[in-house]
Amino acid sequence: QSVLTQPPSASGTPGQRVTISCSGSRSNIGSNYVNWYQQVPGTAPKLLIYGNNRRPSGVPDRFTGSKSGTSASLAISGLRSEDEADYYCAAWDDSLSGWAFGGGTKLTVL
Amino acid sequence: EVQLLESGGGLVQPGGSLRLSCAASGFTFSNYAMSWVRQAPGKGLEWVSPISGSGGSTSYADAVKGRFTISRDNSKSMLYLRMNSLRAEDTAVYYCAKHAHDFWTGYYDYWGQGTLVTVSS
Repeated sequence: QSVLTQPPSASGTPGQRVTISCSGSRSNIGSNYVNWYQQVPGTAPKLLIYGNNRRPSGVPDRFTGSKSGTSASLAISGLRSEDEADYYCAAWDDSLSGWAFGGGTKLTVL
Repeated sequence: EVQLLESGGGLVQPGGSLRLSCAASGFTFSNYAMSWVRQAPGKGLEWVSPISGSGGSTSYADAVKGRFTISRDNSKSMLYLRMNSLRAEDTAVYYCAKHAHDFWTGYYDYWGQGTLVTVSS
């Protein structure tokens, strides 16, 4: 049972816009920054979004993060086949004094 | 280029011990907090343990507290995880992850490829 709640799956066709949600509580998303990671199966996670909505250099602006209250979301526009991966949200949790992760959302590009 | 290379995983019996290593390069190792994060087969990511840049501060997830010990050797740019009293539920890929700052409440900006630990008789 993950501390942060994500839908287990999402899908879209090439060129579409897809949104992945991440729900938490006051002690994690409500109080701290949200980060997003992309993981192609069998490979290491890669930082996609940090500080709620900041992109590391090299991450396309098709990826957008946002946060409101105790929820966050990742939007991917202009969907491409190479976006097919698992996506995880993460936030520091003040109550746990540790990192909280979402259970991951498997994105399928149809 | 930041590189993190884990090693030391393998098959171990319940109750056994293992030491994981992570060789870091491409950045000033002592300036950054580091962590171990694990992923059980088919499951999501789970925070295990962080350590400060100096090595003077550490923390542990409740699931591993008292059994795992994180350490680092800044002279060798190496991160370690000593795992004792291993249980079946510790079976996972263990990732070495670098924090963006010298405090572990900050995000992970780089991850290694991981090393698989299997606890089974």
